[in-house]
Amino acid sequence: DSGVTQTPKHLITATGQRVTLRCSPRSGDLSVYWYQQSLDQGLQFLIQYYNGEERAKGNILERFSAQQFPDLHSELNLSSLELGDSALYFCASSVGGTAGIYEQYFGPGTRLTVT
Amino acid sequence: AQSVTQLGSHVSVSEGALVLLRCNYSSSVPPYLFWYVQYPNQGLQLLLKYTTGATLVKGINGFEAEFKKSETSFHLTKPSAHMSDAAEYFCAVSDLGANSKLTFGKGITLSVRP
Repeated sequence: DSGVTQTPKHLITATGQRVTLRCSPRSGDLSVYWYQQSLDQGLQFLIQYYNGEERAKGNILERFSAQQFPDLHSELNLSSLELGDSALYFCASSVGGTAGIYEQYFGPGTRLTVT
Repeated sequence: AQSVTQLGSHVSVSEGALVLLRCNYSSSVPPYLFWYVQYPNQGLQLLLKYTTGATLVKGINGFEAEFKKSETSFHLTKPSAHMSDAAEYFCAVSDLGANSKLTFGKGITLSVRP
């Protein structure tokens, strides 16, 4: 158990809908990272927050947004969902803000299925 | 831009045999390199990482990797495979810039035959 929790574990929704994925980092970790894992794209970095502020951005679509709250939990919002958004979404956390220095601890993921 | 190439998508070895998973990277700055393991229905777990210093890095579960700058490689090895090593393995690269991020390879699935 990494100490990172993600809810829900599974999510099934229809095209055009909006969903929110939630992540609670390990106690004491200030950074939260979001990743998307799909068969065709592999594991892709989406976005990072550090102590409430956006720190780094990856291949995140404009239909997707995220935020980190004062209690450091984070939410990833996916809107106008398409079939291609079906994937496993991971959250990871680390103590510091520099991705290369601090070990990232991954949650178990949320499996999103868009029908 | 950084990138990681993991040749092949699947490796199968016999229990007790050597495990060799290949990783080549591309980076315009000195890289930080990582190997992660993903067991079925779980998140990723860090096996080992190279930052600076000794080029042979030892990780958990008996795995090690060697950074070879001249070959731009960071191959993962384990002398003797165990059934519990069956999983997916990801190589990743990062820099230390202000917007540093982990860039992952496609991953390699390791199967271990009894």
